[in-house]
Amino acid sequence: NAGVTQTPKFRILKIGQSMTLQCTQDMNHNYMYWYRQDPGMGLKLIYYSVGAGITDKGEVPNGYNVSRSTTEDFPLRLELAAPSQTSVYFCASSYSYLDEKLFFGSGTQLSVL
Amino acid sequence: ELKVEQNPLFLSMQEGKNYTIYCNYSTTSDRLYWYRQDPGKSLESLFVLLSNGAVKQEGRLMASLDTKARLSTLHITAAVHDLSATYFCAVDSWNGATNKLIFGTGTLLAVQP
Repeated sequence: NAGVTQTPKFRILKIGQSMTLQCTQDMNHNYMYWYRQDPGMGLKLIYYSVGAGITDKGEVPNGYNVSRSTTEDFPLRLELAAPSQTSVYFCASSYSYLDEKLFFGSGTQLSVL
Repeated sequence: ELKVEQNPLFLSMQEGKNYTIYCNYSTTSDRLYWYRQDPGKSLESLFVLLSNGAVKQEGRLMASLDTKARLSTLHITAAVHDLSATYFCAVDSWNGATNKLIFGTGTLLAVQP
């Protein structure tokens, strides 16, 4: 089983560039999440989605956008990248809020220089 | 706003010793998660604690939850080197729509041979 797949694994951006981090899951999960993890810190929720067509802000949404056109895919868009967005980004999914755990992707290491 | 604090932030211990990691949170919640993260890797679910007094054990790790005290503990028994990792607790800030997890800053555990 593929589970939660993130691409790319690594990326370097220049200040002001834009990019999309891809996330797809093959478990038919309704709930999907984007987290960022700064060095030596816990995870902060950026955006989440409870189903196709429905998204909402998390703790740190500024500078990001998301869309959820299908159940499987939940891309995260960075517009006008800034050094403060240098972080490791994790996508996660779960079937419902009653699920016992989130399934995490392997992460995307992003550096903005 | 829900805040989650872990201590210690760093723990160096010798193989064979016992120790406890603490996770405190600031508002009412009935669900608490423990995750493990190896360097450069994604998060792996360890335990989900769903009610006051819940206790779960796997191998040398045992987790407990006291919702009245807003405290969870992760107890390590007779540590071995393979347990070296960063351990995160996360608390469910249920808002009526989804389980938005708020993570602690993590405890970096280094088990010395």
